[in-house]
Amino acid sequence: ETGVTQTPRHLVMGMTNKKSLKCEQHLGHNAMYWYKQSAKKPLELMFVYSLEERVENNSVPSRFSPECPNSSHLFLHLHTLQPEDSALYLCASSKHWNSPLHFGNGTRLTVT
Amino acid sequence: QKEVEQDPGPLSVPEGAIVSLNCTYSNSAFQYFMWYRQYSRKGPELLMYTYSSGNKEDGRFTAQVDKSSKYISLFIRDSQPSDSATYLCAMTTINSGGGADGLTFGKGTHLIIQP
Repeated sequence: ETGVTQTPRHLVMGMTNKKSLKCEQHLGHNAMYWYKQSAKKPLELMFVYSLEERVENNSVPSRFSPECPNSSHLFLHLHTLQPEDSALYLCASSKHWNSPLHFGNGTRLTVT
Repeated sequence: QKEVEQDPGPLSVPEGAIVSLNCTYSNSAFQYFMWYRQYSRKGPELLMYTYSSGNKEDGRFTAQVDKSSKYISLFIRDSQPSDSATYLCAMTTINSGGGADGLTFGKGTHLIIQP
């Protein structure tokens, strides 16, 4: 069982829906990340939180909104997504900013 | 020019063969190098973590870094069907402030070990 848990595992949503992805880490790490994984493309870093403060936002569209209420939990709020946003969304944590990452198993998102 | 190049495969080899997986990169500032393994429907898991040039061995796995050629490799000896997965290389720098910058990933190589 991974130390990083993501829910839900699968999500299908329409373009007008609002949904949230949840991530929880049980490793006592100080940094948490959202990555997007699309077919035939490298992992794309979306957001980084270190000690609950956002340290990086890689020009992600505003229809993606992260939230980090404490060092163990991370959310990604989704609204008015586009079909090209369909992908595997991976949460990761690390002991410090850019120590080796520990990934969850991802949420497979399909936007219809 | 992409920062990290990795052949997506698929690479198919018979069980027991030695597997060589490779990445090339363009940024000479990269100093930390990692290999992740990702099984289908799972997140990536860290396999190897190396700093600067040289070799590092862990069981059947050997990671090799050649900074002069900007080339890293992962070797798998006595390959098993359970090694079938996608292997992702990743690397990062130390910035001028003493902290690390974000990881840069390759696209991943899909490896198939035939029984």
